[in-house]
Amino acid sequence: GENVEQHPSTLSVQEGDSAVIKCTYSDSASNYFPWYKQELGKGPQLIIDIRSNVGEKKDQRIAVTLNKTAKHFSLHITETQPEDSAVYFCAASNPFGNEKLTFGTGTRLTIIP
Amino acid sequence: KAGVTQTPRYLIKTRGQQVTLSCSPISGHRSVSWYQQTPGQGLQFLFEYFSETQRNKGNFPGRFSGRQFSNSRSEMNVSTLELGDSALYLCASSLGPGTYNEQFFGPGTRLTVL
Repeated sequence: GENVEQHPSTLSVQEGDSAVIKCTYSDSASNYFPWYKQELGKGPQLIIDIRSNVGEKKDQRIAVTLNKTAKHFSLHITETQPEDSAVYFCAASNPFGNEKLTFGTGTRLTIIP
Repeated sequence: KAGVTQTPRYLIKTRGQQVTLSCSPISGHRSVSWYQQTPGQGLQFLFEYFSETQRNKGNFPGRFSGRQFSNSRSEMNVSTLELGDSALYLCASSLGPGTYNEQFFGPGTRLTVL
């Protein structure tokens, strides 16, 4: 089955700097890659997703890039703010296979004011 | 529009007992998925229900079961609880089945097994 690895497990950046979180996946048939943000005491919330027919997607300060050949995708957060502090999870799925989401192990991002 | 609600939010049980957790999806959502979240294993998919039918299942023992009612509300049951079942159980709802539909997560039920 699918295996998703996520790095780093913790990340601290100064407010205003950029943060990058990377994930690799094993199933070449996976073609849907969402990113979730989980704040303390809450469930994960989808912040951005990308499908395999595009290499990059941006939404304001957040962007995701996908390299299908290397089987890795990354989350980029620019101009970080204190409210970006949370745990971020990447995930992968093959919507035409078993369809279930396989999650990475999470990255705890701390923004230092 | 109200979000996904899960009850109870916290639960303490002892080994060998059974537990039932409830999930009410967002109004109009017909698909419900369940996940187990632990520090060691992360987020793991349990099962997905759509139109009262289980359409997908993760790699969990048969002690974990679920069902969905005609109003899309879902319950999951864990029988013969083990210490390792202590976790945050998350429910997510979506308009339709499969992962192409955005999943909206509830706040979870924190289960502690003593």
